Amino acid sequence: DIVMTQTPLSSPVTLGQPASISCRSSQSLVHSDGNTYLSWLQQRPGQPPRLLIYKISNRFSGVPDRFSGSGGGTDFTLKISRVEAEDVGIYYCMQATQFPHTFGGGTKVEI
Amino acid sequence: QVQLVQSETEVKKPGASVKVSCKASGYTFTTFGINWVRQAPGQGLEWMGWISPYNANTHYAQSLQGRVTMTTDTSTSTAYMELRSLRFDDTAVYYCAREAQQSQAFDIWGQGTLVTVS
Repeated sequence: DIVMTQTPLSSPVTLGQPASISCRSSQSLVHSDGNTYLSWLQQRPGQPPRLLIYKISNRFSGVPDRFSGSGGGTDFTLKISRVEAEDVGIYYCMQATQFPHTFGGGTKVEI
Repeated sequence: QVQLVQSETEVKKPGASVKVSCKASGYTFTTFGINWVRQAPGQGLEWMGWISPYNANTHYAQSLQGRVTMTTDTSTSTAYMELRSLRFDDTAVYYCAREAQQSQAFDIWGQGTLVTVS
């Protein structure tokens, strides 16, 4: 199974300042079709997860452009350019390149 | 609009079974996979398995093999997840999530179903 490791576990941030979350996979996430199926999810308190980014860097519909994803191979990053109060929650990376799909352990973003 | 609506909270005794439903609307049910993900209290997300409503193919997490069965009913656009021989550590919120074939991303999530084993 592919192990997804996120750092940090917790990220205290200041409103209006940037934040960054790292995700590392135990093996390359490049699929045989050439795509890399790495996505980022946000889970606000008491809510189901919500898709933010798919295939490393594509923002899902309705996601603010302050969220961006980058990386490749085994190392990936989610950046929030200017944190807003509504960004508080837990962020997960997830790989769907192979079964079983696996999640990172989560990073808690708090103000 | 596109949505997944799950069944209500369940309370079960150890050793019993639970079957959670996930009704899809607003899109063609057979063109997207359905994943099941669970989250124990205060814990992270755990992938349980995937089913294709198109041909009923499945993939299950190794840790749940033999206890979980995922099915779909295309006539009602509903996916089901049955978990048997429930244990205390199966207490969790269970989510269904749609998976888009092109992006392999979980783009639409159900509201979650709390299953308590007590």
